Order: sequence, then C-alpha cells, then structure tokens
Amino acid sequence: DAKTTQPPSMDCAEGRAANLPCNHSTISGNEYVYWYRQIHSQGPQYIIHGLKNNETNEMASLIITEDRKSSTLILPHATLRDTAVYYCIVRAGSARQLTFGSGTQLTVLP
Amino acid sequence: GAGVSQSPSNKVTEKGKDVELRCDPISGHTALYWYRQRLGQGLEFLIYFQGNSAPDKSGLPSDRFSAERTGESVSTLTIQRTQQEDSAVYLCASTIAGGYGYTFGSGTRLTVV
Repeated sequence: DAKTTQPPSMDCAEGRAANLPCNHSTISGNEYVYWYRQIHSQGPQYIIHGLKNNETNEMASLIITEDRKSSTLILPHATLRDTAVYYCIVRAGSARQLTFGSGTQLTVLP
Repeated sequence: GAGVSQSPSNKVTEKGKDVELRCDPISGHTALYWYRQRLGQGLEFLIYFQGNSAPDKSGLPSDRFSAERTGESVSTLTIQRTQQEDSAVYLCASTIAGGYGYTFGSGTRLTVV
C-alpha cells in the first residue's frame, strides 16, 4: 500500500470547516483513499473513501486532486465532538488489511 | 448485534500468565481483523480471518500470540506467557467480504504487571 503523509496536528474553531490534508504521491491506479478517525479511548471509525471522484456523505466530504497525489477531508461545521486523530489510508481494493499511519490530531476549539 | 463487541473491556494480568480476548463481530460480516495499539502509538495489524480461508497471521509478533475463529462467528485472541510489552489496547474489526468500511469494537485494554 502507498505511504501517506499527514500533518501531526491541527486546530479548528468550533463551527468552522476543518480541512485535513493528506499526501499520497505514490498512489497506484487501483488504490482507494480511506479516512478513519479515532476519538480518545474508542476504536477507529470509518468516515469516507474514494477512488478518484469527490465524495460526500453525512459526516464529511473527500476532495481528491485530479492527479490523485493528494486529498483533503472536509468536516463542514466542526464540533467539539470531532476532536480526534484522523487517519488517511490508501489501500488497493483487493488488499486484505488497512495500514494505519500516525494520523492528524484535530483539536476543535470552543 | 448492532456493533462489534469485545470482552473484557479491561484486563489486568500478571507477567507470565495467559490471557484470552474475545471478539463478537457484526452478524454477517465474514472478515475479521485484530489490531494492537500501544499507548500513544498507531494501530498494528495482527491477524485477519476471511470466511473459511486460512487466516493471514503475518502481523502476529511472536509465537506467544495466536487467534482462532470458528466460521463467521466469534474470534478469540490468546496471548501466552504475557510480557509487559504486551500491554496495549487490542482492537477487533469486522466487515463484509470486499467491504470498504471496517467497524471496530471499543477494544480490550490489557495491562501486564
């Protein structure tokens, strides 16, 4: 699986959009981009995934650049409960497992 | 059940003892994963089960670690002769075959004293 690079930490004001970047410059054509988050003392939670088109669900939006070498997870109106470690993962559709990196610690400030 | 259930939620054991951790996946989820997360660190893959196929044990750190799963039901992770470095949160996740989103349990926090 391709390696991802994320900033170790970010702050965001409550009610504002949180934009979390991820670089995956070595991504292959069959690899998807996944986002998970882990709130303190809980198991990771699936957020969203995409291949090349932008995706949106009730939790977030995923913007993937045209060359697929980077992506941004957008939480449109961050709340205090969104404070968590956010993991960007690239994985081939046929791969058996997810490989978690260090992620980004997002802190939503009141 | 509605989610992935793990038990116990917390376990304190003496060094050298054996422990058994349990995972109840979501009904119908054929794939099951075990991960380990040491304090302040990321998730380490341990083992993967998919239906009746041979499990992928490539992440097990030593022969003291083993896991079983009967069919598509409960899985148990066993650690023999526990060491202090085994202290961690052990997380279980399940998904449907070819599924995109894993559902994780809340984990078992193991402390070896």
